[in-house]
Amino acid sequence: DTEVTQTPKHLVMGMTNKKSLKCEQHMGHRAMYWYKQKAKKPPELMFVYSYEKLSINESVPSRFSPECPNSSLLNLHLHALQPEDSALYLCASSQDRLAGGQTQYFGPGTRLLVL
Amino acid sequence: KQEVTQIPAALSVPEGENLVLNCSFTDSAIYNLQWFRQDPGKGLTSLLLIQSSQREQTSGRLNASLDKSSGRSTLYIAASQPGDSATYLCAVRPLPSGNTPLVFGKGTRLSVIA
Repeated sequence: DTEVTQTPKHLVMGMTNKKSLKCEQHMGHRAMYWYKQKAKKPPELMFVYSYEKLSINESVPSRFSPECPNSSLLNLHLHALQPEDSALYLCASSQDRLAGGQTQYFGPGTRLLVL
Repeated sequence: KQEVTQIPAALSVPEGENLVLNCSFTDSAIYNLQWFRQDPGKGLTSLLLIQSSQREQTSGRLNASLDKSSGRSTLYIAASQPGDSATYLCAVRPLPSGNTPLVFGKGTRLSVIA
């Protein structure tokens, strides 16, 4: 199983809502990532978890709150977002963040629209 | 700071043509380089991963080369098909300095016309 799954596929939320994005992998990978991608732009790294601990936070606003409850799951909690946060949010995983030879596998993404 | 550039930004070719996508990076201190495909509104699909010690990787009609010393990689697509239409992203993983996420290029949007 070389699949990263993400739910929901699409999400529309108001600026006062609280929602969560979910990501799951069962490949035994110990590094998981959140990326944000705007239209016609490359993915931008937001967070990296390594062995369930947050290892990179790319100066992401606090209205985005990641959580890694276990080695297979990665959540992104959203609160008080702005319209400019509308984007495709991609989750990825790799075997070990420091094992540079490992392929990074991406999920299909969640398309988020903030009204 | 590592920067990745992809040329051309967009490419349109007739079906059946062989084509080359280019990727260049500014710092040769990399662990590996990865080519991805992305369909509109979808996630990224890994196509080929080349380790820094390798010169090329092949998968079906795809061949990726790496010249680390000159900071270049190419993705060769043979006998292109309309189903190859997508954005192709190149990404390098710099050598570890504690935290080494992938550095992406902006991609090449490929259209293969039937």
